[in-house]
Amino acid sequence: SQQGEEDPQALSIQEGENATMNCSYKTSINNLQWYRQNSGRGLVHLILIRSNEREKHSGRLRVTLDTSKKSSSLLITASRAADTASYFCATVIQGAQKLVFGQGTRLTINP
Amino acid sequence: DAGITQSPRYKITETGRQVTLMCHQTWSHSYMFWYRQDLGHGLRLIYYSAAADITDKGEVPDGYVVSRSKTENFPLTLESATRSQTSVYFCASSHTAGTGGMDTQYFGPGTRLTVL
Repeated sequence: SQQGEEDPQALSIQEGENATMNCSYKTSINNLQWYRQNSGRGLVHLILIRSNEREKHSGRLRVTLDTSKKSSSLLITASRAADTASYFCATVIQGAQKLVFGQGTRLTINP
Repeated sequence: DAGITQSPRYKITETGRQVTLMCHQTWSHSYMFWYRQDLGHGLRLIYYSAAADITDKGEVPDGYVVSRSKTENFPLTLESATRSQTSVYFCASSHTAGTGGMDTQYFGPGTRLTVL
């Protein structure tokens, strides 16, 4: 099974609302990364949070990491239609030199 | 400033044929990766490379071959294509994997492969 599991699998909200996506993982990590994928495109890196960090901000994005619960959340504030995309969390397992992706959350922002 | 490119973008082939997907990056990143993306499975790592002439298997390597003779190129070959290899293939590169773990990965635009 996947190291990272996103929840929910799909999320539909109105423009201007906040969107929260969660990611759970199984083993100890070095860092956790969030990526966005617009339909038919490659993935774009959004934010990286290291295992010794608890919260990180980038523009309208806020990522939290709780290593005791092995979980992370991505919050997008004041959503826009352009935020419509799939969002993936990816974990870097300690000792490994690769990312393991979850299956993603499909976010739809309704105008 | 090309970044990371993949070719072809679309490919239709027949079962049993050999197919090579190309990946080229202009950043001199040490690490390169090949993923496949299928509905219900997310992204799965096929092979990766830490440097020229160093490659390693990922989660789903069977039926694929890679090589890395130059830092900037990382071709993926399907030796004898099967229908189950119909997928979207993404190449990615990364600068380093230091003490803080694997760094940001930069993805190509993908190759949509259909095996008939």
